[in-house]
Amino acid sequence: GAGVSQSPSNKVTEKGKDVELRCDPISGHTALYWYRQSLGQGLEFLIYFQGNSAPDKSGLPSDRFSAERTGGSVSTLTIQRTQQEDSAVYLCASSFTGASLAFFGPGTRLTVL
Amino acid sequence: QQQVKQSPQSLIVQKGGISIINCAYENTAFDYFPWYQQFPGKGPALLIAIRPDVSEKKEGRFTISFNKSAKQFSLHIMDSQPGDSATYFCAAEALQGAQKLVFGQGTRLTINP
Repeated sequence: GAGVSQSPSNKVTEKGKDVELRCDPISGHTALYWYRQSLGQGLEFLIYFQGNSAPDKSGLPSDRFSAERTGGSVSTLTIQRTQQEDSAVYLCASSFTGASLAFFGPGTRLTVL
Repeated sequence: QQQVKQSPQSLIVQKGGISIINCAYENTAFDYFPWYQQFPGKGPALLIAIRPDVSEKKEGRFTISFNKSAKQFSLHIMDSQPGDSATYFCAAEALQGAQKLVFGQGTRLTINP
């Protein structure tokens, strides 16, 4: 596909379970971002990958959150021991350079029961 | 700390009217100010952006007005159409700093036919 894709589109899980969210960026884009969008709120930065550089993890809300990017392409956001406050839409974006020029995926809606 | 404040939270405008959304920022290191449009079930898409060296930028029916001294910027949608109904986010980025966007809380715009 030509755009950023994310899977699953929806995920319902029970409190305490681990979840993995996947992002397939646009081919050739070196920068990849994860954001979280809570109901009625703006987008909250989580983590940023740029090429082979160490990721900027400054937005991760707790050590239950982690992300990796394999081969400079696909990224996985993992949330361990999910809590109800983790319920949100998780958005991935990619770009050649510059956060503001990034293209966003449709997001994964996570619901923690 | 909320670095970009957006208002109003929701806005209803009649078809053909002018929609105005306002944002204010605190960090003077910000030097790029994009606006995003988000439709339900989709990720945000870049709509229009401005740098602080100009006071206004216009693209079709969309105009950004920028007041550097007041640290405020606004989006004006002229001749608003029902298809403009969406959630709009302002954002700010420090191009020389960390590669991440700081978003406002969003405005849900409804254009009545």
